[in-house]
Amino acid sequence: DAMVIQNPRYQVTQFGKPVTLSCSQTLNHNVMYWYQQKSSQAPKLLFHYYDKDFNNEADTPDNFQSRRPNTSFCFLDIRSPGLGDAAMYLCATSRAQGAGMSKNIQYFGAGTRLSVL
Amino acid sequence: KQEVTQIPAALSVPEGENLVLNCSFTDSAIYNLQWFRQDPGKGLTSLLLIQSSQREQTSGRLNASLDKSSGRSTLYIAASQPGDSATYLCAVTAGTASKLTFGTGTRLQVTL
Repeated sequence: DAMVIQNPRYQVTQFGKPVTLSCSQTLNHNVMYWYQQKSSQAPKLLFHYYDKDFNNEADTPDNFQSRRPNTSFCFLDIRSPGLGDAAMYLCATSRAQGAGMSKNIQYFGAGTRLSVL
Repeated sequence: KQEVTQIPAALSVPEGENLVLNCSFTDSAIYNLQWFRQDPGKGLTSLLLIQSSQREQTSGRLNASLDKSSGRSTLYIAASQPGDSATYLCAVTAGTASKLTFGTGTRLQVTL
């Protein structure tokens, strides 16, 4: 049974047209992450939520935003997609408590492959 | 800045062979190291997690070792099968952030 669910699996958008990717989890984990993975490259963390606290990576473009309305759901919004934003977007979750945060396994969804025309 | 390197980038072996994938990292102050499997066009599946205090972890035909002082980890796959064909990524967690730093992966093909 899928525990981290990403929708849609494939998304096609037009250059400059806003797009939203969705992630939901049934694990009741308090941390949720968004990664970008371009072809043949390593996944790169964009941002993460620790509970309701949003943590943005320093080199994440302003074009990328995120929302977490509740524990189960997290959204990735790309305000004006460019051709360079075509990639696989991976959502992950983990259960973390204070100082133990860095020691927990991250569970990944199947990803959303975004194409920009 | 932590950098993770995986060698080789690609590997092809006949079915039944034992094989070793290598991962190295530049900053030995890590919390843990994970090995992931990624099938083409799919997400990541966690295979093994080694905490910084551990030397190795085993799951079925997989054995991962960690030598933190030298900044190295290996993933040993015994009796390889065609179903093992995938990209294998290692990732380390370090510093005060919760993020994983990934290597670029080893693409494994097991042939009949």
